[in-house]
Amino acid sequence: SAVISQKPSRDICQRGTSLTIQCQVDSQVTMMFWYRQQPGQSLTLIATANQGSEATYESGFVIDKFPISRPNLTFSTLTVSNMSPEDSSIYLCSVQGHRSGANVLTFGAGSRLTVL
Amino acid sequence: KNEVEQSPQNLTAQEGEFITINCSYSVGISALHWLQQHPGGGIVSLFMLSSGKKKHGRLIATINIQEKHSSLHITASHPRDSAVYICAVPSYGQNFVFGPGTRLSVLP
Repeated sequence: SAVISQKPSRDICQRGTSLTIQCQVDSQVTMMFWYRQQPGQSLTLIATANQGSEATYESGFVIDKFPISRPNLTFSTLTVSNMSPEDSSIYLCSVQGHRSGANVLTFGAGSRLTVL
Repeated sequence: KNEVEQSPQNLTAQEGEFITINCSYSVGISALHWLQQHPGGGIVSLFMLSSGKKKHGRLIATINIQEKHSSLHITASHPRDSAVYICAVPSYGQNFVFGPGTRLSVLP
């Protein structure tokens, strides 16, 4: 299965600033997925990033707040813009492979973001 | 939309105990995933199963497709097993629905 390098692993940011999270995959993948995990909660899909087209955002998430880039088939970034304390979460990127006819999930190590 | 439930929410065990974590879902699926999330936040895929039982080391996962239920068992638990265990099922497109997680603490 794929290996994902995600950074930063954690950061503490001031309200009103923006932070960009990067994910590098060791193989080419069509789609990359960005998730948010708020404290004590499960994972929520923010958007799906396709190379060469705009990301597809889930209900409740907008491009102005979470712009995503996907310049090639191995790399993607998620920016958390104009941060507030409510954005304090773990952000994870993920890819899916196929094995035995089903999807295999691979995640980055996560970026733990604290907004003061 | 598939609804996923897990039980228990929290579990504390003594080292060496046999542990069972349960997952139930509302809509039929092709495969279910068990994930392990370490305190640092990283998530590792443990199992993907569509029927029967799978075993990997001290971990055993079972699924009953008809009853829409899966269990994750840990034999001879160890403090390093302390983590959050999450089950996930496919949703629309290539999305997944994730359970709320079971937080396991294994005490030495």
